[in-house]
Amino acid sequence: AQKVTQAQTEISVVEKEDVTLDCVYETRDTTYYLFWYKQPPSGELVFLIRRNSFDEQNEISGRYSWNFQKSTSSFNFTITASQVVDSAVYFCALSEERNNQGGKLIFGQGTELSVKP
Amino acid sequence: EAGVAQSPRYKIIEKRQSVAFWCNPISGHATLYWYQQILGQGPKLLIQFQNNGVVDDSQLPKDRFSAERLKGVDSTLKIQPAKLEDSAVYLCASSTRLALNNEQFFGPGTRLTVL
Repeated sequence: AQKVTQAQTEISVVEKEDVTLDCVYETRDTTYYLFWYKQPPSGELVFLIRRNSFDEQNEISGRYSWNFQKSTSSFNFTITASQVVDSAVYFCALSEERNNQGGKLIFGQGTELSVKP
Repeated sequence: EAGVAQSPRYKIIEKRQSVAFWCNPISGHATLYWYQQILGQGPKLLIQFQNNGVVDDSQLPKDRFSAERLKGVDSTLKIQPAKLEDSAVYLCASSTRLALNNEQFFGPGTRLTVL
């Protein structure tokens, strides 16, 4: 079973539209962390945000915002007023406490976002 | 600060050949990870080192893959012999410490094509 599911394989929007990328996770641990990474065409994954399982406060950083809801096991990512430079593959990832000494990440399949001018 | 370096960036080999990838993590980062990213999928951890010791290699296909980090700095991942299904991008990442919440810094990856 997938531990991290990103049901949207591809999303295409026009510049200035808002877009939400969905992430649903599965874990039996009470302590865990959720991450979002961006992978532009250059290939390097870039860290965007980290949340721990005890902090359900939503977070906003510029045009980016994240909505963490434990009740639905979701950690969704919204880009407001999207720009062409936001075009990339976005990954949601989970770091569980169980059998995980070193913080290995379990990634979703990724959502490819295309922002057209 | 220099990022994670990887080489080569691209490699094309025929099945049953051998190949090696090299990674140099960010200076001072004790933890090093190798991930395999098959086209259209998210990265999957192959092996994780803390200094020169292996922390997790549960998903490494040990019959053909090996990795080492002899001096606790740079690392080499080897595939011998390669199979068609090994075609993927091999990503190296590093972080300052072992922790659930550590931020991992990724290199640009090595794209392997096995013909």
